[in-house]
Amino acid sequence: NAGVTQTPKFRILKIGQSMTLQCTQDMNHNYMYWYRQDPGMGLKLIYYSVGAGITDKGEVPNGYNVSRSTTEDFPLRLELAAPSQTSVYFCASTEVTVHTEAFFGQGTRLTVV
Amino acid sequence: AQTVTQSQPEMSVQEAETVTLSCTYDTSESDYYLFWYKQPPSRQMILVIRQEAYKQQNATENRFSVNFQKAAKSFSLKISDSQLGDAAMYFCAYRSPGTASKLTFGTGTRLQVTL
Repeated sequence: NAGVTQTPKFRILKIGQSMTLQCTQDMNHNYMYWYRQDPGMGLKLIYYSVGAGITDKGEVPNGYNVSRSTTEDFPLRLELAAPSQTSVYFCASTEVTVHTEAFFGQGTRLTVV
Repeated sequence: AQTVTQSQPEMSVQEAETVTLSCTYDTSESDYYLFWYKQPPSRQMILVIRQEAYKQQNATENRFSVNFQKAAKSFSLKISDSQLGDAAMYFCAYRSPGTASKLTFGTGTRLQVTL
C-alpha cells in the first residue's frame, strides 16, 4: 500500500532553473494539497485540488504552478527557482469527508543556490 | 481565515513523565476538526489524534489524550509515560468542512525526551 509518493526526496537547484516535484496517490482521494515547511513556520498551503481538472491557490502560491490531469497525480512546478523557495515540500491527499486524516508524502528537501 | 497558534517552540520531558503541548486556534465556525500530527526526524507526518468540535468528550489514543476547550478555543495534547520515540516535532492542525477542507497548521513544538 504505497499511499502518497513524492519524488525526488532531495534536490539542489541553481537560481533560475526550473523543476517539477511529482506526487502520486493510490487511495483514490479527490482532495490533494501541496505544502511547504520552512523552519519555525509550520506548513503553509501552496496549491490545492478538489478533483481532476480543478486547482486553486493556497496561502503562498507565487512562483509555483500545478496541474491535475488525473485523480492520482498532482505535480508542482517551480519556474525560475529563487533562494526563497528553499524549503521542504509536502504533498498530501485526503477524502472529501472532513473527519478523515490527511496522508502525507515523505517530503522533498529543495535547496536553491 | 483560521489561525492556529502553538506558543511553545520547544519542550522537554523526562522518560516516563507526562508533558502537555499547547495549541490555541481562532475561528468563527462551529463545525470543525482538530488534529495533532507528529513529525519525527524522518520528516514523515504521522497522525497522533483527532477531535471533533461537536463532541464534548476528549479524544484519547493510548498514551495520548487531548484537553479540548471549545469556548476557549484551546486544544492541548497530553503525552503520558513519555518514551524516547516520542521525541519529534508536533503540529496542531485545524480543518473545517469548507472548500477543499484545507488543513491549517501551527508552527510546531519540538519535544525532547531525556533519560
